[in-house]
Amino acid sequence: KQEVTQIPAALSVPEGENLVLNCSFTDSAIYNLQWFRQDPGKGLTSLLLIQSSQREQTSGRLNASLDKSSGRSTLYIAASQPGDSATYLCAVDSNYQLIWGAGTKLIIKP
Amino acid sequence: EPEVTQTPSHQVTQMGQEVILRCVPISNHLYFYWYRQILGQKVEFLVSFYNNEISEKSEIFDDQFSVERPDGSNFTLKIRSTKLEDSAMYFCASTEGRPNTGELFFGEGSRLTVL
Repeated sequence: KQEVTQIPAALSVPEGENLVLNCSFTDSAIYNLQWFRQDPGKGLTSLLLIQSSQREQTSGRLNASLDKSSGRSTLYIAASQPGDSATYLCAVDSNYQLIWGAGTKLIIKP
Repeated sequence: EPEVTQTPSHQVTQMGQEVILRCVPISNHLYFYWYRQILGQKVEFLVSFYNNEISEKSEIFDDQFSVERPDGSNFTLKIRSTKLEDSAMYFCASTEGRPNTGELFFGEGSRLTVL
């Protein structure tokens, strides 16, 4: 059974720092992996989608990598801003449904 | 920009009552989904729907749940007899192509509170 884990559960950093969020999964047989952002009481906004055949995807200050064989993905955020404060969720597409991590709550201090 | 819309944003109901949550997926999307998130817990898959029938469903999606596409735009989740543990945020999502080929677009969610 696929399990997704995100470390750390919470992270607080000063504005301007680069940071890395981690996601691991137990079964490497995935179709893709998505990173989402969730603001308090709000919906889920897709940030990046990495297909199983890809190694990384970039969008603006965000870069996501995927190492399927080791069951790991990282989300790199460059030059963090207070507006980046949110919970970041990773989800793996396994057997036509998304299996989710518990998220990393990120606080960027001005 | 096209988006998935959900109504109501918040519903409060008494235990045992029927609830219908509504979703309007992005117009050219073909695959629809319901997920839920109990407060403080992980997001969980409930059901996927394609071509007017259920494609996949989880163990959570038991006989008290049903989905329907009553017309060309709406996609609904019905909970027949709500329980306290059904209190959660329910998210609708849609994709253009086959599952596992593209990103999911989610609505803002419907918060269900069962008293």
